[in-house]
Amino acid sequence: AQSVTQLGSHVSVSEGALVLLRCNYSSSVPPYLFWYVQYPNQGLQLLLKYTSAATLVKGINGFEAEFKKSETSFHLTKPSAHMSDAAEYFCAVTLNTGFQKLVFGTGTRLLVSP
Amino acid sequence: NAGVTQTPKFQVLKTGQSMTLQCAQDMNHNSMYWYRQDPGMGLRLIYYSASEGTTDKGEVPNGYNVSRLNKREFSLRLESAAPSQTSVYFCASSEAGGGNQPQHFGDGTRLSIL
Repeated sequence: AQSVTQLGSHVSVSEGALVLLRCNYSSSVPPYLFWYVQYPNQGLQLLLKYTSAATLVKGINGFEAEFKKSETSFHLTKPSAHMSDAAEYFCAVTLNTGFQKLVFGTGTRLLVSP
Repeated sequence: NAGVTQTPKFQVLKTGQSMTLQCAQDMNHNSMYWYRQDPGMGLRLIYYSASEGTTDKGEVPNGYNVSRLNKREFSLRLESAAPSQTSVYFCASSEAGGGNQPQHFGDGTRLSIL
């Protein structure tokens, strides 16, 4: 079965610093991968998705992620953090065969300090 | 544009009481899902409906039932609430169940069982 592992339940950065949130996946077949963001007291919003086209995927709010098959990774990055980026981020995986359900990681809370 | 609407937003129940969480989407999506979110555990799938007229168990279905009332609405019922069901519940929908289709989430129902 597919799964994702998010390293670090909390990540702290200063405003203007690089944001790097890690996600590693496990899948026996080529996966589809997603990053979602959750702001306080809200539902999840899609940031970006990888569906086997370009390996470097650009999303909303300046975020991007790179699919690396050799490392089974799909890390999320943003060159310069903004205070409004403080939220919880979830990586999720599903398979590209038929109807598949999303499997979520446990989430990483991003803290941004001035 | 409402997207996915969940009611109620907050609820407190006593052990043994029953209640139904309501979810409606206005995006003409075929597939709908119910998740629960607990600290440190990410989102776990309770039940899903791949299309109108079908429902299936997810990862944690015990203690819950669902009804796909029509294409727009998908309700989650707790027949006899237990403290272990204290959680935040999210409903989601997607255009189809294919793995590359992103899911759209409601803002959640925060449920406390005393």
